[in-house]
Amino acid sequence: EAGVAQSPRYKIIEKRQSVAFWCNPISGHATLYWYQQILGQGPKLLIQFQNNGVVDDSQLPKDRFSAERLKGVDSTLKIQPAKLEDSAVYLCASSRGGVQTQYFGPGTRLLVL
Amino acid sequence: GQQVMQIPQYQHVQEGEDFTTYCNSSTTLSNIQWYKQRPGGHPVFLIQLVKSGEVKKQKRLTFQFGEAKKNSSLHITATQTTDVGTYFCAGTTSGTYKYIFGTGTRLKVLA
Repeated sequence: EAGVAQSPRYKIIEKRQSVAFWCNPISGHATLYWYQQILGQGPKLLIQFQNNGVVDDSQLPKDRFSAERLKGVDSTLKIQPAKLEDSAVYLCASSRGGVQTQYFGPGTRLLVL
Repeated sequence: GQQVMQIPQYQHVQEGEDFTTYCNSSTTLSNIQWYKQRPGGHPVFLIQLVKSGEVKKQKRLTFQFGEAKKNSSLHITATQTTDVGTYFCAGTTSGTYKYIFGTGTRLKVLA
C-alpha cells in the first residue's frame, strides 16, 4: 500500500510570508495528524482530525496556523504570516483510528528567513 | 500539562554493546508506542505496549511498560550500525488518542 504523501519536501520563505503544506494519508485511514518537529526535539502535535472533524487542536497557534481536511481525505496546513520560530519539519501522519499505529510521511522541511 | 521525558539524551556505544533508553511520563498512560527516526528521516513505528508490566521482544529489541504505566524502556542487545537513529516514545492517556512524544534518545554506534 502507498505511504503517506507530503508536498513540498522543502520550502524556504521570508518571515511574514505565507506557506501551505499538503498531505495525502494512506487510503482508508480515518485519523490524520499534523506534527511540528523542531531540530533536536520530538514531534509536537499541532492538530488531529478524525475523518474531517477536528479532535484536538489545543497546541495549534490559531492566530497564524490553520488546517483543514476536506472530504475526510487530503489535508492542508497553512501558516500566515510565518515567523522565524516556525522553522521546523512538518510531519503528517495517519492511522486507522483510535490507538493504532501512526504512519508518518517524509515531512516538509520549512526554513523561515 | 503532560510531559514525557527520555534519558539519556544522547548515547554513543561501540558496536556490539548494549543500549537502553528510558521514558518517563508525568501522568499515567493508557498505552505507549515506540518509534525510530533515522537521521534526515521520519519516525517509523516499532511497537505498542498496552498492559501494565508488559514486555515485548523484537529480535534484539526488548520493550517494557512499567507496572504503574508511567514509564517504559527500550533495550537493544548487541547494537549494530543499523541501529543508529533517534528513539522516541509516545504516550497517550485514557480517553484520548492524542500522543505526546518524548524528548528522544539519539543513538550513535561506533564500528
